[in-house]
Amino acid sequence: DSGVTQTPKHLITATGQRVTLRCSPRSGDLSVYWYQQSLDQGLQFLIQYYNGEERAKGNILERFSAQQFPDLHSELNLSSLELGDSALYFCASSEDFGTGELFFGEGSRLTVL
Amino acid sequence: GEDVEQSLFLSVREGDSSVINCTYTDSSSTYLYWYKQEPGAGLQLLTYIFSNMDMKQDQRLTVLLNKKDKHLSLRIADTQTGDSAIYFCAESKALRGKLIFGQGTELSVKP
Repeated sequence: DSGVTQTPKHLITATGQRVTLRCSPRSGDLSVYWYQQSLDQGLQFLIQYYNGEERAKGNILERFSAQQFPDLHSELNLSSLELGDSALYFCASSEDFGTGELFFGEGSRLTVL
Repeated sequence: GEDVEQSLFLSVREGDSSVINCTYTDSSSTYLYWYKQEPGAGLQLLTYIFSNMDMKQDQRLTVLLNKKDKHLSLRIADTQTGDSAIYFCAESKALRGKLIFGQGTELSVKP
C-alpha cells in the first residue's frame, strides 16, 4: 500500500460527459502528480501541483483541468469526454526530502463508450 | 527534447539474469529511475541512480548508466517468477520534478 488513495477505481461513462477523479496523497506529501496511461501513448505526465499551486504542466488537454485543495487532496476534471480519453489515470505524490520517489495510487480506470 | 525508449518485451527463464535497457535523449536529465508495475497495481520504485554515478547495486538489482550514450540498464540477478511485471525507466531533471517515463518493458519469467 503506497498510501495514495484514488477514487473511483473504475468509471464507465458516455462521450460528451464530464467526470472528476479524486486523489488523496500520502500523509505529509505536498506534491501531487497526475499521469495518464493508455496502450498507445504509454504513461504521459499531465500536471503537477505543489501545496496548492500548479508547478508543471505536461500533455494535458484543454478539456482537462486539475486542482489541489488546502487539505492537499487533488481532483482531475475531464470534460467533453471522447473515446480516446479511455485510460488509466494515476495520481502520485512525493515527499519533500529524499530521493524524489513518486508514490503511486492504484489508478482510476476510465472507460468512455 | 524529452524522450525515453525501451524495448517492449523480454522473456527469460527462472534463475537466469534479466537485462532491461533504456535510452533517453535529454542530456540534462539528472535523476534516473526504475519502476515496477504489477498487474492491477500502481507503479512502485525499484531503484534510482543520479547522473553523477555509473553504477548502483541493490541486492539482486544492478543499474548501469552510460551518460555518453544516454543508456541506462537494469539487471535482475536470479530472476524469479515473482519478477514478472512491467518495468519502466524514467528520467527527471530535478528532484521532485516531473518524471518522463518510457513505454515499459514487459518481463515474462518462465519456470
